[in-house]
Amino acid sequence: QVQLQQSGAELVKPGSSVKISCKASGYTFTSYDMHWIKQQPGNGLEWIGWIYPGNGNTKYNQKFNGKATLTADKSSSTAYMQLSSLTSEDSAVYFCARGTGPYVGYFDYWGQGVMVTVSS
Amino acid sequence: DIQMTQSPASLSASLGETVSIECLASEDIYNNLAWYQQKPGKSPQFLIYYASSLQDGVPSRFSGSGSGTQYSLKINSLESEDAATYFCLQDSEYPWTFGGGTKLELK
Repeated sequence: QVQLQQSGAELVKPGSSVKISCKASGYTFTSYDMHWIKQQPGNGLEWIGWIYPGNGNTKYNQKFNGKATLTADKSSSTAYMQLSSLTSEDSAVYFCARGTGPYVGYFDYWGQGVMVTVSS
Repeated sequence: DIQMTQSPASLSASLGETVSIECLASEDIYNNLAWYQQKPGKSPQFLIYYASSLQDGVPSRFSGSGSGTQYSLKINSLESEDAATYFCLQDSEYPWTFGGGTKLELK
């Protein structure tokens, strides 16, 4: 069965970076886009971008250019998102989600989410 | 960016009732709309794609409709498990954008 297992909660200081992971299993990792979505307290969802692990191609929401960097390791079927220059606005739950196909916002499997708290 | 305005922000309904949730796009999104359900403390679940196509495994009491800028999610014969927050997402144009969510409470 398809599973996306994300890394644990992070407490990080302002100005630092954090890298969270999403380990995929139960399907061919290189054949599906992996998306990242941000959810801040109060429910709002924001699409951050996707990576196609098969060739490393990425597409970002321009709002997250310079903030988020998506990578994927085919050998371990793991997708990563690094967030840099963290501020309180980056405190949120971050989900990875598998795309059902290219260029569509259909996410059929989700990770459990990673809570990132930015605080001094 | 395309703005997605969802309404109502919250609603309360009884078991067995039918409810509708609306999403209004700031421009034509050509049926490129998905619906998601999120229960408290859980990840969202995929319900509907391309405005009206039901994802595999989703109960048939869920349906989607709409065109142009106006879309809706209808839930027939509400069950207790339907208590959740519902989000729409447009994938017509980057950046893809979500509606603000509708919190459905069961009386």
